[in-house]
Amino acid sequence: KAGVTQTPRYLIKTRGQQVTLSCSPISGHRSVSWYQQTPGQGLQFLFEYFSETQRNKGNFPGRFSGRQFSNSRSEMNVSTLELGDSALYLCASSRSRDFNTGELFFGEGSRLTVL
Amino acid sequence: EDQVTQSPEALRLQEGESSSLNCSYTVSGLRGLFWYRQDPGKGPEFLFTLYSAGEEKEKERLKATLTKKESFLHITAPKPEDSATYLCAVQAEGAQKLVFGQGTRLTINP
Repeated sequence: KAGVTQTPRYLIKTRGQQVTLSCSPISGHRSVSWYQQTPGQGLQFLFEYFSETQRNKGNFPGRFSGRQFSNSRSEMNVSTLELGDSALYLCASSRSRDFNTGELFFGEGSRLTVL
Repeated sequence: EDQVTQSPEALRLQEGESSSLNCSYTVSGLRGLFWYRQDPGKGPEFLFTLYSAGEEKEKERLKATLTKKESFLHITAPKPEDSATYLCAVQAEGAQKLVFGQGTRLTINP
């Protein structure tokens, strides 16, 4: 069974640019969450989608956005990149409709470096 | 605001030397507490879910316990392959997200 797939794995951008990250969840999983991981802040919740609907959003500026498609694949976008956006962006999928198991299956992440 | 604090930040043990990792939490109605393991360059890997005080879960050399204010991850006779960062997270009632602690970086020396 294929795991959560994130692309690209590594990317380098400059300040002011925008970036789009992609996530393909495990087959049959309809909930997709995004987290930002940095050495200083740890794992911080960005947003969660279920059946193309955003159900929860973390405390990030509006430059961070996401969406989910009908096949459950998800993308997140960061516009007007800042140096502080350098991080590992992790996508996780869950088979639970109401998210009550907490058993998230994480991808290996997309490491973004902003210069 | 929901909060998770893990201690220690880093722990170095000799192979076979048992110890415990701590996770203290404050949450407005606990739906569940979760332990994950993260290896360098990888995403976190699910270990346990605990739902109520007094609950315990075991997996190989790991045992997780839960009280009303904290959780412990006990590691018995660890091996070098247990070296990883261990993350604790909580889910509040009605929330579709997890709040993670900073993690404990565990190193087991042979």
